[in-house]
Amino acid sequence: GAVVSQHPSWVICKSGTSVKIECRSLDFQATTMFWYRQFPKQSLMLMATSNEGSKATYEQGVEKDKFLINHASLTLSTLTVTSAHPEDSSFYICSAAGRSQPQHFGDGTRLSIL
Amino acid sequence: GENVEQHPSTLSVQEGDSAVIKCTYSDSASNYFPWYKQELGKRPQLIIDIRSNVGEKKDQRIAVTLNKTAKHFSLHITETQPEDSAVYFCAASQTGGGNKLTFGTGTQLKVEL
Repeated sequence: GAVVSQHPSWVICKSGTSVKIECRSLDFQATTMFWYRQFPKQSLMLMATSNEGSKATYEQGVEKDKFLINHASLTLSTLTVTSAHPEDSSFYICSAAGRSQPQHFGDGTRLSIL
Repeated sequence: GENVEQHPSTLSVQEGDSAVIKCTYSDSASNYFPWYKQELGKRPQLIIDIRSNVGEKKDQRIAVTLNKTAKHFSLHITETQPEDSAVYFCAASQTGGGNKLTFGTGTQLKVEL
């Protein structure tokens, strides 16, 4: 149980384009989803927390207009990186938690901006 | 906010030996402490967790201990195997579930033959 699916797993795109990443909880209702960013050989840095049906809470230093988060249902959250630039290249990971569940992570999305 | 420190950053052991990774936290309100294993390029996987009403928890070769007074918790892996090689992260949060996790900086464990 507690499977979290993240898609796509790998994205390569040109600078200036927008990229949408999906995170789905497959077998439980995720009341809260989290979005992380991880640089090579570093820890996971929380970007934002989203609760179903409400606006995401962003961590300090994370631009909410650049990283758009939507959590429209109890099983789906999306992260859109708008007007992506090379410095946005990173490994993005989502996690999902139900009321009585610990956080379970998706497989991550490796984003490369050329 | 919460601050989690993790040591060592790298750990190399011989196959069959034990490995211990230690973490300290700063917020006395934290009461949920999970440990994640992450292999290169893959998702962090929850391997064990402990809540503050328990001092120790064990699952086969893996155990976690918690000292609330000192605000530190440790991961113990016995009879290490090459497949235990990975990066291990400790984390802390309040209650768990929908509350955000604060992660440690990670420990690269290498189990040598």
